[in-house]
Amino acid sequence: GNSVTQMEGPVTLSEEAFLTINCTYTATGYPSLFWYVQYPGEGLQLLLKATKADDKGSNKGFEATYRKETTSFHLEKGSVQVSDSAVYFCALRDILAGSARQLTFGSGTQLTVLP
Amino acid sequence: NAGVTQTPKFRILKIGQSMTLQCTQDMNHNYMYWYRQDPGMGLKLIYYSVGAGITDKGEVPNGYNVSRSTTEDFPLRLELAAPSQTSVYFCASSYSEDGTEAFFGQGTRLTVV
Repeated sequence: GNSVTQMEGPVTLSEEAFLTINCTYTATGYPSLFWYVQYPGEGLQLLLKATKADDKGSNKGFEATYRKETTSFHLEKGSVQVSDSAVYFCALRDILAGSARQLTFGSGTQLTVLP
Repeated sequence: NAGVTQTPKFRILKIGQSMTLQCTQDMNHNYMYWYRQDPGMGLKLIYYSVGAGITDKGEVPNGYNVSRSTTEDFPLRLELAAPSQTSVYFCASSYSEDGTEAFFGQGTRLTVV
């Protein structure tokens, strides 16, 4: 079956530091990959996505590249801000496995950015 | 610009009580989902629906029921609430096409005491 493995948290960084959150996946087909962000007390919001190999998703200074050869979709940001403090979820949707109906989520990574 | 709306936002139930968590979306999405999120954990799929009149079990369906009589609404029913159902519940919806993302409601924080 499909699965998503995320870097264990929590992650604590100083403002303006470089961020990487690792995400690897297992899928039987050709999944679309997503990063969602959850701010305290809120629901999940789409941060970025990539729908095919070598695509790069980007938004709000965050980037992730769909690497089929390493089955990875690592999230990066060059200079984090205090306002980036949140929980980040990696997810996949795999239409060929018949599970396009479902999003498969990683366990989430808590990021705290200190001023 | 409502998106996915969940009610209530908070609820405390006693063991054995029942309740319905409401979810409605105004984006004409055919897919809808219910997830639960336990502290420090990811999201686990309870039930999902691919269209009106069609529902299916997810990873953790026991103790829950759903119905989908309209495209817009996807209520989640808890019968005989148990402490293990204390969690935050999220409703989401999406188009069916590959590559499309899900949109989430704000969540319902449920405590069973």
